[in-house]
Amino acid sequence: GENVEQHPSTLSVQEGDSAVIKCTYSDSASNYFPWYKQELGKRPQLIIDIRSNVGEKKDQRIAVTLNKTAKHFSLHITETQPEDSAVYFCAANNNAGNMLTFGGGTRLMVKP
Amino acid sequence: DAGVTQSPTHLIKTRGQHVTLRCSPISGHKSVSWYQQVLGQGPQFIFQYYEKEERGRGNFPDRFSARQFPNYSSELNVNALLLGDSALYLCASSLGPPNSPLHFGNGTRLTVT
Repeated sequence: GENVEQHPSTLSVQEGDSAVIKCTYSDSASNYFPWYKQELGKRPQLIIDIRSNVGEKKDQRIAVTLNKTAKHFSLHITETQPEDSAVYFCAANNNAGNMLTFGGGTRLMVKP
Repeated sequence: DAGVTQSPTHLIKTRGQHVTLRCSPISGHKSVSWYQQVLGQGPQFIFQYYEKEERGRGNFPDRFSARQFPNYSSELNVNALLLGDSALYLCASSLGPPNSPLHFGNGTRLTVT
């Protein structure tokens, strides 16, 4: 089955700096890669997703890149703000498109 | 517009008991998925239902079962509870497979003592 590895497990940045979180996946049939933000005690919220027919997608301060050959994808957050502090999860779908395999999460701390 | 709603929000059970968790999807969404999130880890897939049929099952024992009703709401049942079943159970709804974005509810926090 699919295996998703996520790094780093914790990331501390200064407000205004950029943050990058990286994920690798094992199943070459995966073609959908969402990113979720989970604040303490709250539900995971979809922040951006990318499909395998594009290499990059951007939404304001957030961007995601995908390298299908290397089977890795990354989340980039620019001009970080304290409210960006949360746990971020990457995920990849399976061949049937009916389940997601999540990475272990990255705790991002943005220091004011 | 209401999001995914789950009940109850918290539950404490004893080993060996059974539990039923409930989920109502976003209006218009026909697919419901269940995930288990142990503290400090990413969510793990349990089931997906679409149009009242099971469309996917994760690596969980037969003690876990689910169903989807004609109004697309869903129940997750867990029998013979173990301490290791303590977790946050998340329900997510989507328009339907494949690869529709999942929208999660706030979850049910289950504690087994």
